[in-house]
Amino acid sequence: GENVEQHPSTLSVQEGDSAVIKCTYSDSASNYFPWYKQELGKRPQLIIDIRSNVGEKKDQRIAVTLNKTAKHFSLHITETQPEDSAVYFCAAFFTGTASKLTFGTGTRLQVML
Amino acid sequence: SAVISQKPSRDICQRGTSLTIQCQVDSQVTMMFWYRQQPGQSLTLIATANQGSEATYESGFVIDKFPISRPNLTFSTLTVSNMSPEDSSIYLCSVEIQHTDTQYFGPGTRLTVL
Repeated sequence: GENVEQHPSTLSVQEGDSAVIKCTYSDSASNYFPWYKQELGKRPQLIIDIRSNVGEKKDQRIAVTLNKTAKHFSLHITETQPEDSAVYFCAAFFTGTASKLTFGTGTRLQVML
Repeated sequence: SAVISQKPSRDICQRGTSLTIQCQVDSQVTMMFWYRQQPGQSLTLIATANQGSEATYESGFVIDKFPISRPNLTFSTLTVSNMSPEDSSIYLCSVEIQHTDTQYFGPGTRLTVL
């Protein structure tokens, strides 16, 4: 089955700095890669996603890049703000006999004032 | 996106009992899923709730422990049966918007088993 690795597990940055979270996936047939943000006590919320026919996608201060050859994708947050503090999960959509999302282990991002 | 609600939002239960969690969405969706999120952990798929047929369970999860119903395209239930403290977790439903692969999550049910 699909395996998704995510690094780092924790990340502290100063307000205004950039943050980068990286994920690798095992199944080359995966074709959809969403990122979720989960604040404490809240549901995971989709913040950005990318499909395998695109190399990069941006939405204001967040961007995602995909390298299909290396089977890795990354989340980039620029000009970080305290409200960016949360746990971020990457995921890969596995198109095997039973299509499903497989999640990474999560990155706890703390933006320091 | 979709508006997804879950009931109950939280519960404290005694071991050996069962709890049924409801998930309601405001529009018809083909795919509904149930996840478990243990404290400080990632999301683990329990099963895909199929409308009109039996749910599809992931490795490590069985129907006797986690029976699922999906009577129509807007509603599903997950029952946690014969509970033990190890079942203490957050249970989340999610829905896939029609043929987009994109999933949106309900608010979750926080279950504590004593």
